Amino acid sequence: DAGVIQSPRHEVTEMGQEVTLRCKPISGHDYLFWYRQTMMRGLELLIYFNNNVPIDDSGMPEDRFSAKMPNASFSTLKIQPSEPRDSAVYFCASSARVTHHNEQFFGPGTRLTVL
Amino acid sequence: AQTVTQSQPEMSVQEAETVTLSCTYDTSESDYYLFWYKQPPSRQMILVIRQEAYKQQNATENRFSVNFQKAAKSFSLKISDSQLGDAAMYFCAQTNSGYALNFGKGTSLLVTP
Repeated sequence: DAGVIQSPRHEVTEMGQEVTLRCKPISGHDYLFWYRQTMMRGLELLIYFNNNVPIDDSGMPEDRFSAKMPNASFSTLKIQPSEPRDSAVYFCASSARVTHHNEQFFGPGTRLTVL
Repeated sequence: AQTVTQSQPEMSVQEAETVTLSCTYDTSESDYYLFWYKQPPSRQMILVIRQEAYKQQNATENRFSVNFQKAAKSFSLKISDSQLGDAAMYFCAQTNSGYALNFGKGTSLLVTP
């Protein structure tokens, strides 16, 4: 299996622009998580899905952030408009709770820089 | 609210020696899981070891082992025979059944020759 795939690996954009991050979970996994990592706040959950349905989005910073999972093999995290404080590494992770005992498999992350 | 605390921002160990990284957590749940993840400079998050709260036996994975003290809500990671490749950020994390990981702030481990 290819593991969790994220694209792009790096994104540099200007303040006010729309940014879309993409994630392909491991086939067969029924949970998908989006995390954000910053020096100040560490690793924090943004949102997670179970069977393509958003379960907890309480970590989404504000209305500028939105996430979708149109099918079991694809999810997006969108920021519109982007701001410099959104600069961070964004991780996608997936898991199959029953078979993997809650282990989450992480993608390589997307490093976002907003100028 | 669940919290995970790693009180050691940085640790250093000599090659071939043993080091222990500390972690405490707080949860009101009785069924939960604990993890140690490693993040090298490549930033890839790699699972090191996992512990189910209902298991009394401490988990071990080759040179990595944990000391799980459920009553004290403590979950430390011991790395034996440290290698240069062990240098990384180490994150302790806790989750209830089926839900998101709650991470500590991390411990940066330096391994010296």
